[in-house]
Amino acid sequence: QVQLVESGGGVVQLGRSLRLSCTASGFTFSTYAIHWVRQAPGKGLEWVVVIWYDGSHEQYGDSAKGRFTISRDNSKNTVYLQMNSLRAEDTAVYYCTRSGRGPFDAFDMWGQGTMVSVSS
Amino acid sequence: DIQMTQSPSSLSASIGDRVTITCRASQAIRNDLGWYQQKPGKAPKRLIYAASSLQSGVPSRFSGSGSGTEFTLTISSLQPEDFGSYYCLQHNNYPITFGQGTRLEIK
Repeated sequence: QVQLVESGGGVVQLGRSLRLSCTASGFTFSTYAIHWVRQAPGKGLEWVVVIWYDGSHEQYGDSAKGRFTISRDNSKNTVYLQMNSLRAEDTAVYYCTRSGRGPFDAFDMWGQGTMVSVSS
Repeated sequence: DIQMTQSPSSLSASIGDRVTITCRASQAIRNDLGWYQQKPGKAPKRLIYAASSLQSGVPSRFSGSGSGTEFTLTISSLQPEDFGSYYCLQHNNYPITFGQGTRLEIK
């Protein structure tokens, strides 16, 4: 079955860290860039970060720069999002999604999401 | 950054109505745009890619058009299951950006 599955969400205190995982199955993981997109409660979608198919490059959105780090292990079909110094505004559902070399597989598949709640 | 201005932010329409949602990009993005439907508590689902190509399995009442800076999603005859939120996404340049969303309510 072709899918992306996120895990690692939960309740975390202000200023602490959390690591999310996105595990893929059913397709050739190592040929796709993987993105994280988040959605705060009742709000729209916000792109967070991308990692290239081979891990050679990352690009961060402004909200993630300096605090979040993305990495991947193609032998495990998994991408990780290390989130440090968490803020209340990081509370959101975090989705992973993919993009390939062409428009056909640009953000075509999304995981079910994992909820991150940052509390004081 | 490329800003995506989506309108309207909400609309209420009747079964059988023709519905149009628009996204305007702050600079030209060729046809590097997708349209997504999101139901409450669910992940976004792609409806349209490359601005006008219908995703496999999506009903043909959905269509997309446009190129450059102006894009449109049209539902030709609204059905009860079409309620939810709709978003455009541009992937021409980083950072990837979304429209603000359109909440569609069935009258």
